[in-house]
Amino acid sequence: DAKTTQPPSMDCAEGRAANLPCNHSTISGNEYVYWYRQIHSQGPQYIIHGLKNNETNEMASLIITEDRKSSTLILPHATLRDTAVYYCIVRGNNDMRFGAGTRLTVKP
Amino acid sequence: ETGVTQTPRHLVMGMTNKKSLKCEQHLGHNAMYWYKQSAKKPLELMFVYNFKEQTENNSVPSRFSPECPNSSHLFLHLHTLQPEDSALYLCASSQEPSGSSYNEQFFGPGTRLTVL
Repeated sequence: DAKTTQPPSMDCAEGRAANLPCNHSTISGNEYVYWYRQIHSQGPQYIIHGLKNNETNEMASLIITEDRKSSTLILPHATLRDTAVYYCIVRGNNDMRFGAGTRLTVKP
Repeated sequence: ETGVTQTPRHLVMGMTNKKSLKCEQHLGHNAMYWYKQSAKKPLELMFVYNFKEQTENNSVPSRFSPECPNSSHLFLHLHTLQPEDSALYLCASSQEPSGSSYNEQFFGPGTRLTVL
């Protein structure tokens, strides 16, 4: 079973920041938080991951709370092409357990 | 393009057929995975291979038989499937170092399987 909880859907206006929350209250000390997204009919695409520090790359920023029980993925300037299902995953070994994810719809 | 290719992209088969799905990764990775994505359900991990050795089988029925002849190729052999096995089958690969840090998985485009 997935160890994360995400809202089923969110909307965001084009050009605005999209903030996608994730709860992972049972995360243990050696487990990482990963984010992937899946655009319709394609394979999932890696976005970012972190352990306890905030992370940023060319796609997004990941904010992890100090107690590590929740995190937020931030897409700073959402575009229509960011419409997808976003998965938050807690990973501590060589496999990944996907939950239902959040369906983000970016609207013009 | 992620460097992971899957063939065929679409497959329709009867319940008595035998078919195989193929995955190839061009990334030099040492781990490969099969996932199943049914309609309106989360992705389910089926099999994990590290250095060609199967390290995980998540209670997958025996009508699904994986094969990993080398670190670049992964097959999923299918026989006597059921209509409920219709799904998108995704392959992924990653480079897994030793220790507690894990690398991202790169996914292929998937094979859309329909069992009649």
